[in-house]
Amino acid sequence: GESVGLHLPTLSVQEGDNSIINCAYSNSASDYFIWYKQESGKGPQFIIDIRSNMDKRQGQRVTVLLNKTVKHLSLQIAATQPGDSDVYFCAETVLTGGSQGNLIFGKGTKLSVKP
Amino acid sequence: GAGVSQSPRYKVAKRGQDVALRCDPISGHVSLFWYQQALGQGPEFLTYFQNEAQLDKSGLPSDRFFAERPEGSVSTLKIQRTQQEDSAVYLCASIRDSNTDTQYFGPGTRLTVL
Repeated sequence: GESVGLHLPTLSVQEGDNSIINCAYSNSASDYFIWYKQESGKGPQFIIDIRSNMDKRQGQRVTVLLNKTVKHLSLQIAATQPGDSDVYFCAETVLTGGSQGNLIFGKGTKLSVKP
Repeated sequence: GAGVSQSPRYKVAKRGQDVALRCDPISGHVSLFWYQQALGQGPEFLTYFQNEAQLDKSGLPSDRFFAERPEGSVSTLKIQRTQQEDSAVYLCASIRDSNTDTQYFGPGTRLTVL
């Protein structure tokens, strides 16, 4: 069947290793960033977010790092599991007057975890 | 609780036909977004509603695309005279209110135009 991950860059890791997925964002005015994962045939699923007044935020097994100087965002997944195999997208937006605007998505990375 | 739902999940249309795609946001969510996702690409913004008001439609690719949310809840994306390049997954997302709450996405409608 069709795959949301078709033609996307692929990151292959061994089960149990740590994964790092990188993203370069485009708008220097963006101040809110989100990582989503997407399974084929489903909508994007929220993983973790970060605002521009922070450079690091941790969740359960995931950490997001933000480098505003070079407009770079990364997602670190600790102890990667086969169930983490999905397509990962970063997204950025500008919070104008407290309202969340439309999300601008990056190109996506397909994570493949080998058991 | 129930998430964002979309219907139909799959739609096949002949070129030139009109289609209507439905989004049911999470109950009580004020803001609603439509995105288009081509195969192998990230979602791209189409339009945005706050309650029944369409505040941004800058992403709609042509005047064949029309969206509405008349009662501030369910939204419909209509595509007139469909073309093959309209084939994509159409995603709907909603937010509880206009602060930094995360956009929650529905499963999408896969439109195939033959």
